[in-house]
Amino acid sequence: DTGVSQNPRHKITKRGQNVTFRCDPISEHNRLYWYRQTLGQGPEFLTYFQNEAQLEKSRLLSDRFSAERPKGSFSTLEIQRTEQGDSAMYLCASSPRGGESYNSPLHFGNGTRLTVT
Amino acid sequence: GQNIDQPTEMTATEGAIVQINCTYQTSGFNGLFWYQQHAGEAPTFLSYNVLDGLEEKGRFSSFLSRSKGYSYLLLKELQMKDSASYLCAVRDDKIIFGKGTRLHILP
Repeated sequence: DTGVSQNPRHKITKRGQNVTFRCDPISEHNRLYWYRQTLGQGPEFLTYFQNEAQLEKSRLLSDRFSAERPKGSFSTLEIQRTEQGDSAMYLCASSPRGGESYNSPLHFGNGTRLTVT
Repeated sequence: GQNIDQPTEMTATEGAIVQINCTYQTSGFNGLFWYQQHAGEAPTFLSYNVLDGLEEKGRFSSFLSRSKGYSYLLLKELQMKDSASYLCAVRDDKIIFGKGTRLHILP
């Protein structure tokens, strides 16, 4: 168990470009979450998966954001036509499914810091 | 709707006790978490409550009242390393976070 891994750690891009981030969860965890965090704020929910199924996407999220988890293991988050307001830390977290593991906390990766210039 | 409220900032003295409150209004409830987050780092798990009452874990304790939609995190014998943000999070199947409380510890 090497923990949740996110790549890249930092990404600087110009406005209008597309970016893609990757998250590798803890191997036995079948729930995977994406959050966005800006300075001085708590993590803002973006979307989450149960295995390969996307269970919910935040209504606040524009259509420029899309996430996939094609084989129920790693996940990608893509932002199209980036805007300066997209600059933030993007956090991925994983946990076991509910039921007997319902009290299992989220385990976070170290995040990808996006700067849009 | 979903709403989780906690104070933005608090200040306490090394060696003292501090209580950080959290109130929530969510469409469902399946447990409440507290996380600690140091500047520039990922959040780390502190505690979990799903039933009413107090859960104690060393210097940290967390309390839950489901009927009041209320929780608090109690930190005892404060140390300088406790300077961090403390995040209240509610599970409604998915897990959503409050904005966090930044705790400053004075020597």
